[in-house]
Amino acid sequence: KNEVEQSPQNLTAQEGEFITINCSYSVGISALHWLQQHPGGGIVSLFMLSSGKKKHGRLIATINIQEKHSSLHITASHPRDSAVYICAVRSTNFGNEKLTFGTGTRLTIIP
Amino acid sequence: NAGVTQTPKFQVLKTGQSMTLQCAQDMNHNSMYWYRQDPGMGLRLIYYSASEGTTDKGEVPNGYNVSRLNKREFSLRLESAAPSQTSVYFCASRLPRTGNYGYTFGSGTRLTVV
Repeated sequence: KNEVEQSPQNLTAQEGEFITINCSYSVGISALHWLQQHPGGGIVSLFMLSSGKKKHGRLIATINIQEKHSSLHITASHPRDSAVYICAVRSTNFGNEKLTFGTGTRLTIIP
Repeated sequence: NAGVTQTPKFQVLKTGQSMTLQCAQDMNHNSMYWYRQDPGMGLRLIYYSASEGTTDKGEVPNGYNVSRLNKREFSLRLESAAPSQTSVYFCASRLPRTGNYGYTFGSGTRLTVV
């Protein structure tokens, strides 16, 4: 079992729909990151969470430390949100420099 | 523009050839990283440099060497390329050596070894 599991692997939705992407992890963490990888390949850091909830524009990220689970929500989705969304955790077991990445969720928003 | 700059963007090598991937950041970040991304797998850490003058192995260091030339630059060298090193390589940087701060990624280098 991977240390970081994302679901779903692929998600297709209509423009305007509310999107939820899930991330579960199996190790103790000091922080969880959500990243966005554009179709052209570049990676952008969206959020870093150690507790609670963060919001930036139409994106909301939440984390439940007790349940070892995080969600990324997109409200009023738009075709430009089409990308791969990647969850990564910094584990307390392996020192400060190791990030363990999920394999990503490919999101496609249809106009 | 501020950020992480990687060169080249694309490269095709023959087995056994060598090359160096260059990475530079202009954000005065202390920590720099090299990752590889393969289909169906999460990004994996090859090497990292927590600060100028230090480098450490990550999860998949075999076949690679790195140099932290100064605070701005962190290069990745393949001494004798193998087909298993076909991948997309990302350089990243982060401000402090410790603490919960976000990462800035370069745009990636797509390397094919034939």
